[in-house]
Amino acid sequence: EAGVAQSPRYKIIEKRQSVAFWCNPISGHATLYWYQQILGQGPKLLIQFQNNGVVDDSQLPKDRFSAERLKGVDSTLKIQPAKLEDSAVYLCASSPPGLAGGGEQYFGPGTRLTVT
Amino acid sequence: GQNIDQPTEMTATEGAIVQINCTYQTSGFNGLFWYQQHAGEAPTFLSYNVLDGLEEKGRFSSFLSRSKGYSYLLLKELQMKDSASYLCAVRPTNQAGTALIFGKGTTLSVSS
Repeated sequence: EAGVAQSPRYKIIEKRQSVAFWCNPISGHATLYWYQQILGQGPKLLIQFQNNGVVDDSQLPKDRFSAERLKGVDSTLKIQPAKLEDSAVYLCASSPPGLAGGGEQYFGPGTRLTVT
Repeated sequence: GQNIDQPTEMTATEGAIVQINCTYQTSGFNGLFWYQQHAGEAPTFLSYNVLDGLEEKGRFSSFLSRSKGYSYLLLKELQMKDSASYLCAVRPTNQAGTALIFGKGTTLSVSS
């Protein structure tokens, strides 16, 4: 089974520019998460989708970050405008419906963003 | 608030056993996960505990005590490829979704 796909893998932008990341979850996984992982830290949730609806975006900096999952499959995360502190790895994860087995989350390879 | 503590770094030698501890204070509890993350790679699932006790899976075991807010990951017969960061994560209950709260990770270095 194909894993979670993310692109691009690396991105370097200047502060105040905008950037977008793309995620394609595992087929059939209704739940999709975007996490931010700053160097030396654990991943921190930005937003969770269930199908195409937002379940939890309480930690998303909505003044600059936005995310969508229009058809309940692929998702995009956008930052506009970027700040230096947004430099991090952006991880997309998906999990199957329900909490069978704890609702294990499968992570994509991440996008490493550097803001200069 | 939510807090998950684990040691920052640990070292061990090939063939040895190492125990990585994790303590947590969260608003409610609905499961504890351990993930392995090699440098520059995505976290991969190792184990899940929701009830007290020990879960064994090959060379890796994970233990949970909910009353103490404590878990550990036990790695046996260490191999060089086990050098990685080990993330402890908890699913609290006081949130809208099913996302995990992660600790900062324990970097394990295995030497020959």
